[in-house]
Amino acid sequence: GDSVTQMEGPVTLSEEAFLTINCTYTATGYPSLFWYVQYPGEGLQLLLKATKADDKGSNKGFEATYRKETTSFHLEKGSVQVSDSAVYFCVTYSKAAGNKLTFGGGTRVLVKP
Amino acid sequence: DAMVIQNPRYQVTQFGKPVTLSCSQTLNHNVMYWYQQKSSQAPKLLFHYYDKDFNNEADTPDNFQSRRPNTSFCFLDIRSPGLGDTAMYLCATSGDRLNSNQPQHFGDGTRLSIL
Repeated sequence: GDSVTQMEGPVTLSEEAFLTINCTYTATGYPSLFWYVQYPGEGLQLLLKATKADDKGSNKGFEATYRKETTSFHLEKGSVQVSDSAVYFCVTYSKAAGNKLTFGGGTRVLVKP
Repeated sequence: DAMVIQNPRYQVTQFGKPVTLSCSQTLNHNVMYWYQQKSSQAPKLLFHYYDKDFNNEADTPDNFQSRRPNTSFCFLDIRSPGLGDTAMYLCATSGDRLNSNQPQHFGDGTRLSIL
């Protein structure tokens, strides 16, 4: 089945620093790729998505590019804010995986003022 | 406005005492999912409904059951909760499980504690 590997946290940054969270995946077929964010005490929110190679998803200053050749979907933000403190999940979805989401382990990000 | 609503937000129950968690949606989505998320882990799919078609995951414990009386509502029933069932329970919906472009929409979860 599919699997997703993302960098372990916690990642601690100062406000306005550059954030990168690495994510690589293995999949049979051609998955769609997502980043979900989970703020403390809340459910998951879709942050961005990409459905084909070289697509760039972007939202709230975050970006990630679907790299088929390296099977990666790294999340980046140029200048983080305290409000970006959350857990970030890299997720794949494909028919080959039984039409289910496959989650990475999550990366906790803590932004300090 | 919240589109996937879970009640209650927090639930404390005793070991072995049945508990029901509820989820409602205003999106008119065909598919509803239940996930279990333990502390510092990724969500784990328990089961899902595609319309009225129930799909159980192979490793979901037998004391976890679900009901979907109509499109808008879905319930998670835990018949005899054990201490290991303490977790956040997340409900999610999607318009079509066969369309990989459609993301799942999550509720805020119910944090369940078994004492």
